Amino acid sequence: GEDVEQSLFLSVREGDSSVINCTYTDSSSTYLYWYKQEPGAGLQLLTYIFSNMDMKQDQRLTVLLNKKDKHLSLRIADTQTGDSAIYFCAESITGGSYIPTFGRGTSLIVHP
Amino acid sequence: DAGVIQSPRHEVTEMGQEVTLRCKPISGHDYLFWYRQTMMRGLELLIYFNNNVPIDDSGMPEDRFSAKMPNASFSTLKIQPSEPRDSAVYFCASTDTGTPNTEAFFGQGTRLTVV
Repeated sequence: GEDVEQSLFLSVREGDSSVINCTYTDSSSTYLYWYKQEPGAGLQLLTYIFSNMDMKQDQRLTVLLNKKDKHLSLRIADTQTGDSAIYFCAESITGGSYIPTFGRGTSLIVHP
Repeated sequence: DAGVIQSPRHEVTEMGQEVTLRCKPISGHDYLFWYRQTMMRGLELLIYFNNNVPIDDSGMPEDRFSAKMPNASFSTLKIQPSEPRDSAVYFCASTDTGTPNTEAFFGQGTRLTVV
């Protein structure tokens, strides 16, 4: 199976909160990331969390990490139409190969 | 730095033709990655280099695909001969493993259409 798994689609109403979930398999992951891909563009780092943290907040974004369950989530508060994009979860292992392993991406669709 | 630069942005070619995609990583980055993105398979890692040396090409789908990195500032991904199923968006990315969080910086991608 895949190392990093995400659901493929999420549809929310503008103004609501979005929660995008991800599971990973490598317990030695050091950094976990959320990347955003807007239409016609490459991936850009949105936020990341170090594995010794449980939560990280950055304005409308909240990242939650449950190491026991190997579960990562990204919450977007007050979701706007500009948040419509594909969101990728990724992990990397410091001291290992440094290769970021990406999930397949979750397409977030924000409708009025 | 202008970021990771890929060329061309779009490529339309006929089946059987050779296609060469180009990438200039961010100066000083020691890893370079080639990815392919399709609706069916998502983002797939094709090959990556460390200090210009290919480390893992297990993601390269077939012998028709080859990649080179002759120096630290340039890499190519070649498909010969191309087939319609190679149609996808190809991304190049680079990282600097000297930074703590090893963020991957992506180029804008090359959208390849093989007809």
